[in-house]
Amino acid sequence: EAQVTQNPRYLITVTGKKLTVTCSQNMNHEYMSWYRQDPGLGLRQIYYSMNVEVTDKGDVPEGYKVSRKEKRNFPLILESPSPNQTSLYFCASSLTGDGWTQYFGPGTRLLVL
Amino acid sequence: GQSLEQPSEVTAVEGAIVQINCTYQTSGFYGLSWYQQHDGGAPTFLSYNGLDGLEETGRFSSFLSRSDSYGYLLLQELQMKDSASYFCAVKADTGTASKLTFGTGTRLQVTL
Repeated sequence: EAQVTQNPRYLITVTGKKLTVTCSQNMNHEYMSWYRQDPGLGLRQIYYSMNVEVTDKGDVPEGYKVSRKEKRNFPLILESPSPNQTSLYFCASSLTGDGWTQYFGPGTRLLVL
Repeated sequence: GQSLEQPSEVTAVEGAIVQINCTYQTSGFYGLSWYQQHDGGAPTFLSYNGLDGLEETGRFSSFLSRSDSYGYLLLQELQMKDSASYFCAVKADTGTASKLTFGTGTRLQVTL
């Protein structure tokens, strides 16, 4: 089944404790992206990648890191999480590098205490 | 940067037609897309307009006017399952890269 998977789905952590949210797609898509969704603010893009080893900042990259060492994986790293990073995170992928038709993962709900 | 405006909420009756508008301000505009998100779910792609005009996909249609920086999503023969949030998104080219910016979403409530 073609899909985007994220792990974990739910995470409670404390301020400053490094964490990684994994994202994997099995569709051989070139484009991958991370979003956060907060009430009243919609989806905001954190980082995106148009291909392996090619990443770029979205609208809200501060406090996040990503890497794209393999085509299928695009982990999101929070080196020192803070409470304002409490949010619902979505990973998405798109077949072509233009990122138009994006397929979203199920989401990761993160709470930083 | 990019900015988009869409109504926060719309209510319509089952079987009716509803239009959700989206106005945008962006440089290097490439096109406008629409996504649907049910409560507790992930966004799913509905449609994309790269050129002016109407694109139809079943009960859903999307329209774009590049000269007016405006688009809309039209939902016909509304069903209860259409109750969801709808997001417009614009793609802008920033040099060699591209990114997608979403609006804040329109919550559609379909009633009997």
